[in-house]
Amino acid sequence: GQQVMQIPQYQHVQEGEDFTTYCNSSTTLSNIQWYKQRPGGHPVFLIQLVKSGEVKKQKRLTFQFGEAKKNSSLHITATQTTDVGTYFCAGPYVVSNYQLIWGAGTKLIIKP
Amino acid sequence: NAGVTQTPKFQVLKTGQSMTLQCAQDMNHEYMSWYRQDPGMGLRLIHYSVGAGITDQGEVPNGYNVSRSTTEDFPLRLLSAAPSQTSVYFCASSKQGGKLFFGSGTQLSVL
Repeated sequence: GQQVMQIPQYQHVQEGEDFTTYCNSSTTLSNIQWYKQRPGGHPVFLIQLVKSGEVKKQKRLTFQFGEAKKNSSLHITATQTTDVGTYFCAGPYVVSNYQLIWGAGTKLIIKP
Repeated sequence: NAGVTQTPKFQVLKTGQSMTLQCAQDMNHEYMSWYRQDPGMGLRLIHYSVGAGITDQGEVPNGYNVSRSTTEDFPLRLLSAAPSQTSVYFCASSKQGGKLFFGSGTQLSVL
């Protein structure tokens, strides 16, 4: 069946280092969404990418959607303690524009 | 706007008990859904609705029922709680194809 794989599962970084999470879909996606979940919180929408090869920036966060619309990445430059949390990608099921299929998430941990 | 309101925040049940998790949204979203989140895992869809009177199963529907009598409300019923249903539950809503707005979650423990 349709799958979305997200790697790595965890990433430990020193504050100030960069962070990247990758998302790979088994099928071509019409769009991809990214969410952030702080520890103990609920997922919060970050961005939606729609176009092939699209790159969007939000301050220190850079989001990319692959040319084939099957992969995506989120890169954070110079991490801060406020970036701690789990980052999820999600794309629509082929058979339903309402349902999303989710990656397992990448947990960003800042080393003390 | 309150957004998506989910109650209760915490609940402890004994095996075999039933309960209803409440979810309400005030954004006039046609789409509402229930997810469960287990440690180290992503979000798994339980049930969803694309409008009042319309519901459908997601990835993990067994042991749960839903109904959608109004646009605003989408309760999730656990029929006979089992330890395997210990999880964090999130309700979410959206416009078609739009971003999801999540409730604050319910942490459920089944003993």
